[in-house]
Amino acid sequence: KQEVTQIPAALSVPEGENLVLNCSFTDSAIYNLQWFRQDPGKGLTSLLLIQSSQREQTSGRLNASLDKSSGRSTLYIAASQPGDSATYLCAVSYQGAQKLVFGQGTRLTINP
Amino acid sequence: DARVTQTPRDKVTEMGQEVTMRCQPILGHNTVFWYRQTMMQGLELLAYFRNRAPLDDSGMPKDRFSAEMPDATLATLKIQPSEPRDSAVYFCASGSQGLAGGPSYNEQFFGPGTRLTVL
Repeated sequence: KQEVTQIPAALSVPEGENLVLNCSFTDSAIYNLQWFRQDPGKGLTSLLLIQSSQREQTSGRLNASLDKSSGRSTLYIAASQPGDSATYLCAVSYQGAQKLVFGQGTRLTINP
Repeated sequence: DARVTQTPRDKVTEMGQEVTMRCQPILGHNTVFWYRQTMMQGLELLAYFRNRAPLDDSGMPKDRFSAEMPDATLATLKIQPSEPRDSAVYFCASGSQGLAGGPSYNEQFFGPGTRLTVL
């Protein structure tokens, strides 16, 4: 069964810190991996997409890495700000199936 | 600013009533996905379409749920009859899978969701 796991489930850090969110997946035959942000009561905003042939993607203060062999991805947030507080979801799509399999998310709180 | 739109944003109904949710995908996208989000199960795929043809609806209870794409600008998800366990947020997403492209190939863009409460 294809599963995606995110650890930790919740994280609280002071403003200005750099932090890493983790995502692991059981089946390494992925097509791509996508990181989303979800604010309370809102939809999902796509942050970064990494194709299976890529090792990392960067957007502003965000950097996502992908290690297919170990079944892991990390989302690195530099110089965190209170506005970064949200739930971050990792999702994987697999070869031959375009649907996204989601992790349960990491609820991030940045304290001023 | 291209976005996926969904209506209604909120729906409260009584058990047994029919519910129809609508989605307008981003213009030019050829795939549409319906997901359901609950606290217990997280986000789960219900159905998806490519070029308006249903490709996978294995996540959808067939006896009460139906999904269609009457045209390229409209996708619908219908529940009849609705039950309290259907209470959730239903998201529509669109993408451009199968089309030549750059880094956004196969990326999915989500709508704001429809929050359904069945009493």
